[in-house]
Amino acid sequence: QVQLVQSGAEVKKPGASVKVSCKASGYTFTSYYMHWVRQAPGQGLEWMGIINPSGGSTSYAQKFQGRVTMTRDTSTSTVYMELSSLRSEDTAVYYCARGYYDIWGQGTMVTVSS
Amino acid sequence: SYELTQPSSVSVSPGQTARITCSGDVLAKKYARWFQQKPGQAPVLVIYKDSERPSGIPERFSGSSSGTTVTLTISGAQVEDEADYYCYSAADNNGVVFGGGTKLTVL
Repeated sequence: QVQLVQSGAEVKKPGASVKVSCKASGYTFTSYYMHWVRQAPGQGLEWMGIINPSGGSTSYAQKFQGRVTMTRDTSTSTVYMELSSLRSEDTAVYYCARGYYDIWGQGTMVTVSS
Repeated sequence: SYELTQPSSVSVSPGQTARITCSGDVLAKKYARWFQQKPGQAPVLVIYKDSERPSGIPERFSGSSSGTTVTLTISGAQVEDEADYYCYSAADNNGVVFGGGTKLTVL
């Protein structure tokens, strides 16, 4: 079946980087864009950016420009989201979601704490 | 930047009609989506293109649009519909925004 499976929870120190993966299965990986959305504890949804798995082009929310990098590996049908210079405010659940938002990953909890 | 404004909470009794609004200038030009999110779960798309319902979403969920406001209507709300609901729109130049979310209570 169509699904997105994300990597496991991470705990990072302030200033470090984190790389979250999202493995797609059950559909043609390069046919759908992939979004990244995050949600801080008790807060709403926040769009971070989008990647085109076909060509690798990306577009990031202005808030994350310079700190986020989205990449893909077509050989494994996996997209990655790397966030650098982590601070406590980046503590959140990070989701990948297929282009039309019809399929979501299960979420990856990233905790930033000293 | 773009903003979408939702009420923080809506409360109805089971069987009643719940209406959740979302307002923003971008909605006059762009379609909206609605997501349902239950505690500890990923969001689920319930409405797209203002009023289209994905397969598998109950018919009691509907959407409408008027000017700069879109509305999610749950006709005959059920206890299992209790969740947070978020509107969403994507403008040109990659301006993507979620509303702040509405907590729907059904009791």
